[in-house]
Parts: sequence; C-alpha cells; structure tokens
Amino acid sequence: KNQVEQSPQSLIILEGKNCTLQCNYTVSPFSNLRWYKQDTGRGPVSLTIMTFSENTKSNGRYTATLDADTKQSSLHITASQLSDSASYICVVSADGGSQGNLIFGKGTKLSVKP
Amino acid sequence: KAGVTQTPRYLIKTRGQQVTLSCSPISGHRSVSWYQQTPGQGLQFLFEYFSETQRNKGNFPGRFSGRQFSNSRSEMNVSTLELGDSALYLCASSLGGLAGPLLKTDEQFFGPGTRLTVL
Repeated sequence: KNQVEQSPQSLIILEGKNCTLQCNYTVSPFSNLRWYKQDTGRGPVSLTIMTFSENTKSNGRYTATLDADTKQSSLHITASQLSDSASYICVVSADGGSQGNLIFGKGTKLSVKP
Repeated sequence: KAGVTQTPRYLIKTRGQQVTLSCSPISGHRSVSWYQQTPGQGLQFLFEYFSETQRNKGNFPGRFSGRQFSNSRSEMNVSTLELGDSALYLCASSLGGLAGPLLKTDEQFFGPGTRLTVL
C-alpha cells in the first residue's frame, strides 16, 4: 500500500534555530516528491519538487533532501523565523498517469517561538 | 497574475442539505483538482478535471461530484451532507498536460479553501 509517513507530528523550536522534518514513503513506482508549507487557514504553497535523480533542492532557507534508495526525504529549515510556523506536508507522486496517485503525508506542525 | 480563488470562504450547513463550492483557477491553467482536508485524515484527493472532463477520481462516495466549465472554472457539489463532511475543501490548479499535476513540471497552486461546517 502506498503510504507517506511524516515525523515528528509536531515540533516547537526557538526563533533562529535550525530544524529537520522527516518524510518516509512506501510509494512505487516513484515519480516525484514535493514539500508544501501550509499556514493556518490557507492553502498549501509549494516549497520544492524533486525527482529520483535529484538528491538536494533548496528554496531560500529551506533545503530538501531525497534518498530514493531508502525512500526517505527531509526538509531542513535554517535560522528559523516566526513566519515559519506552519504545517509542512510531504507529498509523493506515484508514476502511472493517474492523479489519484498523489499520496499525502499528514504533515508536521512547526511552531517557532520568540 | 491572480491566484486561485475559492468561494465562499466559509459555509455552515445542516445535515441532509447540499452545497456547491466554486473554484476559479489561475488564468491559463486547465487542470483543477479538489481535495478534502480534515485534522484526522490530512489532505485527501477528491477528483481532477481537465478540459471539462473528469480525468481522475479519488475514493469518495457518489455524494461528492464536480464539473468544469469551458473557462476552466470548476464547481464541487456535495449532496445529503453528513457531519463527517465538515472539512476544509481546497482546490488546486495547474497547467495540465499529459498526466497533469503528477508531472514534476506541472506544479499545482492551491486556493485558500472553503471551510465547510455541517451541523
């Protein structure tokens, strides 16, 4: 069964600190992996999209890594800011031509405190 | 360029009623997807429309339906509402293409969502 598991479920860090969010998936055949940021009450916003041949992708202070062999991805946030407080959702796309093959993780809720 | 818009933003209905939600995609985008988001289940795919045709469908009952118009605007309808239908309903648009939002190059842009509460 195709699944995406994210950890931790929630995380509290102090402003200025770094943090890493994890995403493990059992999706096959793999097409691409995306990280989204979702502020409370808003729609998700794409941070990065990676195919199996890409093992690192950066977007400002956000850096995503992908290990297609172990089927793990991480999202590293550097020098966190209060505005980073949000839910971060990992989404894996299964190759197969059907949009029904977008598998969503349940997200990690990050709180950045001053 | 205007983003994805959804109306209404908030809606309160009672059990047994029906509801219609609207989504206007980014200009030039031909694919519109709908998602249900609840605290317990996270984001779940409902269906995708491309060029007025339902291209893909998730695992939801037939009470959930949708359609897309020639200008790519889309509506979603839920009939005979149940308490469990209370959720944030999100739509996302993308350019579309062969496999739509599955492709790395076909990025999805989400709207702000419609918060539906069923009493």
